[in-house]
Amino acid sequence: SQTIHQWPATLVQPVGSPLSLECTVEGTSNPNLYWYRQAAGRGLQLLFYSVGIGQISSEVPQNLSASRPQDRQFILSSKKLLLSDSGFYLCAWGRGGHQPQHFGDGTRLSIL
Amino acid sequence: AQSVTQLDSHVSVSEGTPVLLRCNYSSSYSPSLFWYVQHPNKGLQLLLKYTSAATLVKGINGFEAEFKKSETSFHLTKPSAHMSDAAEYFCVVSEDGQNFVFGPGTRLSVLP
Repeated sequence: SQTIHQWPATLVQPVGSPLSLECTVEGTSNPNLYWYRQAAGRGLQLLFYSVGIGQISSEVPQNLSASRPQDRQFILSSKKLLLSDSGFYLCAWGRGGHQPQHFGDGTRLSIL
Repeated sequence: AQSVTQLDSHVSVSEGTPVLLRCNYSSSYSPSLFWYVQHPNKGLQLLLKYTSAATLVKGINGFEAEFKKSETSFHLTKPSAHMSDAAEYFCVVSEDGQNFVFGPGTRLSVLP
């Protein structure tokens, strides 16, 4: 069966520090991969999605970036975090063809 | 363009009474529709999906939803609420299996 892993579960970072969140999927190949952000009490905002290695689509211009160095690895990064980057970050994978997305457990990011 | 409206931001029911969470969608094509549940500080868990098969869809934990094309609705129901059902619920539409549009969510409270 397929599983998705996200880490870390929680992270506290100072303003201006760098960020790296990692997501990996097991049990499937060539998945579509997604990064979402969820602000407190709000819905999901799509940040990036990828349909293959090195192929990244950005939905929201900001100081975040994403990379897909391997087929089942998706990384969310920032060179300098802002206070507004606080939130709950969720990684998801999907197979396309009207199949649903499957989500990781999320990373709670707090910026001080 | 596709969109989702969840008509209630918050629904409160007593334990043992029926649950109704409303969702209306807009789509130019025959979409796939999904319901997800999110417990605090957790990822989203798939409850059920509609992908153009039977219009009455049964999901996990006793939930079901009915696809009504004439009303562009996909309401989520459960005959008898449990305390463990208290969570945030998201209705999601996808026309192409790659792009997913999330509703703003409905918070379900279950009173003892």
